Amino acid sequence: QQQVKQSPQSLIVQKGGISIINCAYENTAFDYFPWYQQFPGKGPALLIAIRPDVSEKKEGRFTISFNKSAKQFSLHIMDSQPGDSATYFCAALGGTGRRALTFGSGTRLQVQP
Amino acid sequence: KAGVTQTPRYLIKTRGQQVTLSCSPISGHRSVSWYQQTPGQGLQFLFEYFSETQRNKGNFPGRFSGRQFSNSRSEMNVSTLELGDSALYLCASSLEAVELFFGEGSRLTVL
Repeated sequence: QQQVKQSPQSLIVQKGGISIINCAYENTAFDYFPWYQQFPGKGPALLIAIRPDVSEKKEGRFTISFNKSAKQFSLHIMDSQPGDSATYFCAALGGTGRRALTFGSGTRLQVQP
Repeated sequence: KAGVTQTPRYLIKTRGQQVTLSCSPISGHRSVSWYQQTPGQGLQFLFEYFSETQRNKGNFPGRFSGRQFSNSRSEMNVSTLELGDSALYLCASSLEAVELFFGEGSRLTVL
C-alpha cells in the first residue's frame, strides 16, 4: 500500500513538445506529492509539489495535475527543452506515523533538438 | 545559502568492512533523512533524524545505522558490507521532513 507506480519508464519528446509523466498511488494517507528532477551524477532536485486539496499547480513550464478520486497525479512539461533531459521521480509523503518519501521508479526523459 | 554537503563523494570498500558517511544539512534545517538509490530498487528510505532523535526508520537491516549531532550534522554507518550495499547514498535536509533538499550523494562501491 506504500507503493507509487510511475509511467512511462522512458520518454522521448521533440523540442517544443509536451512531456507527460504519470503516477498512481494506493495509500490515501499520503498528503504531499512532490516531483524531483535528477541529472546524472547529481542528487534529486525538488521541482514542484502539490497537496491533495488542490487539483492543479503550475510553476513556469511545469504543471502538476492531481486527481484525488482516481489517486493519480501527473507532471506536464510544456515547451520541452533539451536541458530538461533528465530522470524524473514522483513521490508521496505521509502514511501512518511515517514521514518518509515513497518514490516512483523514475522516468528517463530525452528531449531531442 | 549553502546546500546539503555529503562526504565522501566516492568510496570503494571490500566486503565485510564498514563505512561511515557524513552529511551537513542546510543551515537552519533540523531534519535529516537518508535514502539509498540503486538501479534495481530505486530510491528507498533509510531513516530520518530530527533534533538528534531518530523519528522514522525504513526497512533495512540493523547493519544500517545513523545518528545526528547537536549541530544537525548527520552520519550513517553500514557495517559488515555486502556487495548489494553498493549504491548512491543520499542525504536530504528539511525544516520539518516535508520539502526535502538532497545532496549530491556518496557513491559506495563494495568489492
